[in-house]
Amino acid sequence: GIQVEQSPPDLILQEGANSTLRCNFSDSVNNLQWFHQNPWGQLINLFYIPSGTKQNGRLSATTVATERYSLLYISSSQTTDSGVYFCAVSGGSYIPTFGRGTSLIVHP
Amino acid sequence: DADVTQTPRNRITKTGKRIMLECSQTKGHDRMYWYRQDPGLGLRLIYYSFDVKDINKGEISDGYSVSRQAQAKFSLSLESAIPNQTALYFCATSDRGVWHTQYFGPGTRLTVL
Repeated sequence: GIQVEQSPPDLILQEGANSTLRCNFSDSVNNLQWFHQNPWGQLINLFYIPSGTKQNGRLSATTVATERYSLLYISSSQTTDSGVYFCAVSGGSYIPTFGRGTSLIVHP
Repeated sequence: DADVTQTPRNRITKTGKRIMLECSQTKGHDRMYWYRQDPGLGLRLIYYSFDVKDINKGEISDGYSVSRQAQAKFSLSLESAIPNQTALYFCATSDRGVWHTQYFGPGTRLTVL
């Protein structure tokens, strides 16, 4: 199956800093999503982005499918951005493969 | 998201017991999913259902069964619980496929002793 690696595994920032999270995958994908899990466990979809670039407020994502990676950018980070960010991919099936996530802590 | 509810929120049970986790949604979505999350890992899909008469196995269905009682209800059963089924379980819904926006319940923390 497709392997998904996320980096860095852990990230600590001061409020206001920018960050880039990376998701590498081992094979061609037709589907890719980014999720945020807050410290209380709630999961939220951020982006569905199998290719190209999308932006939503302070968050943006870019997927370069031909080079098998996706990036999630967080600008002007806030304490509410803390949590774990997951990337999930598939090669066209309904079954996603998740990475292990990047744990982000934003200090005030 | 209060539109997707899971019961119970926490459950401790013993090896060999049958247990049911329930999910209800008021979003009117046809598609519902059950995921499992282990510490330090991402989610893995257990089962998914695109309508009341359509149920499909996910990545890790062994040891689990599901029932879609109605459009709004999707239950996950562990027929004979074992300790390595200790995990956080999430239900989710979507109005399109799994690769479109999913709305997650708050999760059920299950411990099997």
